[in-house]
Amino acid sequence: EAAVTQSPRNKVTVTGGNVTLSCRQTNSHNYMYWYRQDTGHGLRLIHYSYGAGNLQIGDVPDGYKATRTTQEDFFLLLELASPSQTSLYFCASSDKARGLEQYFGPGTRLTVL
Amino acid sequence: GEKVEQHESTLSVREGDSAVINCTYTDTASSYFPWYKQEAGKSLHFVIDIRSNVDRKQSQRLTVLLDKKAKRFSLHITATQPEDSAIYFCAAHNYAQGLTFGLGTRVSVFP
Repeated sequence: EAAVTQSPRNKVTVTGGNVTLSCRQTNSHNYMYWYRQDTGHGLRLIHYSYGAGNLQIGDVPDGYKATRTTQEDFFLLLELASPSQTSLYFCASSDKARGLEQYFGPGTRLTVL
Repeated sequence: GEKVEQHESTLSVREGDSAVINCTYTDTASSYFPWYKQEAGKSLHFVIDIRSNVDRKQSQRLTVLLDKKAKRFSLHITATQPEDSAIYFCAAHNYAQGLTFGLGTRVSVFP
């Protein structure tokens, strides 16, 4: 089974702070995704990538940057964190066409005070 | 773009009974419909899917039905057990937009 890991698992920062969330997958999947999960909104796609150096915007990209440095590693950057970005963040990967058969990481709970 | 509506936000079922979760989608180009389960405090994991070339798929106690004409699909869980308690997400996939999730249904199985 695909292995997707995320770090940190929990993070607290202050408004205006700089945060980087990390994701690593070890199955050489082409696609990687960042989602946020909020009550009443389900899962919303922030950014995704189909390979090292590639970045595509998702449905809710404002306030987020992302970078795919290698096949395995995908980072989500919040350069000026705001309380509205308090959320549970999931990374996922897939080897098929965009969106198919996604494997999810354990999640990172981010709190912006 | 695609929109997926998950009709039940919560579902409470007695252990041993059946549970049904209904979803509708809007884009006729969607052709793949997975379901994910999220147990309390955990991540999502895939449970079952259906593609548009069939209208029914079963895996043990789970059955997915697809009605392309009505743009509706549903997850049926038979003989529910306490470990079925979780949030279930339906989703619809097309190649233009990728995967769109519903808002989730919280299923509680009580004794």
